[in-house]
Amino acid sequence: NAGVTQTPKFQVLKTGQSMTLQCAQDMNHNSMYWYRQDPGMGLRLIYYSASEGTTDKGEVPNGYNVSRLNKREFSLRLESAAPSQTSVYFCASLTGTVRSTDTQYFGPGTRLTVL
Amino acid sequence: QKEVEQNSGPLSVPEGAIASLNCTYSDRGSQSFFWYRQYSGKSPELIMSIYSNGDKEDGRFTAQLNKASQYVSLLIRDSQPSDSATYLCAVIVGAGGGNKLTFGTGTQLKVEL
Repeated sequence: NAGVTQTPKFQVLKTGQSMTLQCAQDMNHNSMYWYRQDPGMGLRLIYYSASEGTTDKGEVPNGYNVSRLNKREFSLRLESAAPSQTSVYFCASLTGTVRSTDTQYFGPGTRLTVL
Repeated sequence: QKEVEQNSGPLSVPEGAIASLNCTYSDRGSQSFFWYRQYSGKSPELIMSIYSNGDKEDGRFTAQLNKASQYVSLLIRDSQPSDSATYLCAVIVGAGGGNKLTFGTGTQLKVEL
């Protein structure tokens, strides 16, 4: 049981390059999330998927796209990276049953630098 | 208005004291509330969840929820230096079951010897 895994852990891109951040969970959780964390800004929601087959925008979706490939996997794509996307990216998963004892886990994070 | 608001701190308390962390939220229909702890350079770690009005205790931690006033608080009793971290409040916003999990900006806690 690995929980939530993210790849890669570190990445350096040049402006305009594209890349995909991968996230997978093995806990059979319904909901998955992508956040970015910048100093003093807390965790800002980029996109989320409440259940397999659905995705919704969060607070800061511009410049990103997502795919909920199946129940386990939720990827985040930067089509044309910009320096403003330099950040730490976290994936998280949640049981997804409102008003129950939810369990939640975060991945280890991806540190992305865009030059 | 931000959906989840916290005082950024830092909040400094002496070792052994009670630390009190507060959070307010804007959507009255929200039903699920969480507190996370995050050490520098690490991922957030869930420490408490609360769904009903009142208090919920787990060891040295007590979460308090007041839906009428739209605030959630976390009390840490007998604070230890190892409790020094950033504490993040999170809310599943709205009542529609869409599971939009939104965070506040976090409160930095420093427990001093």
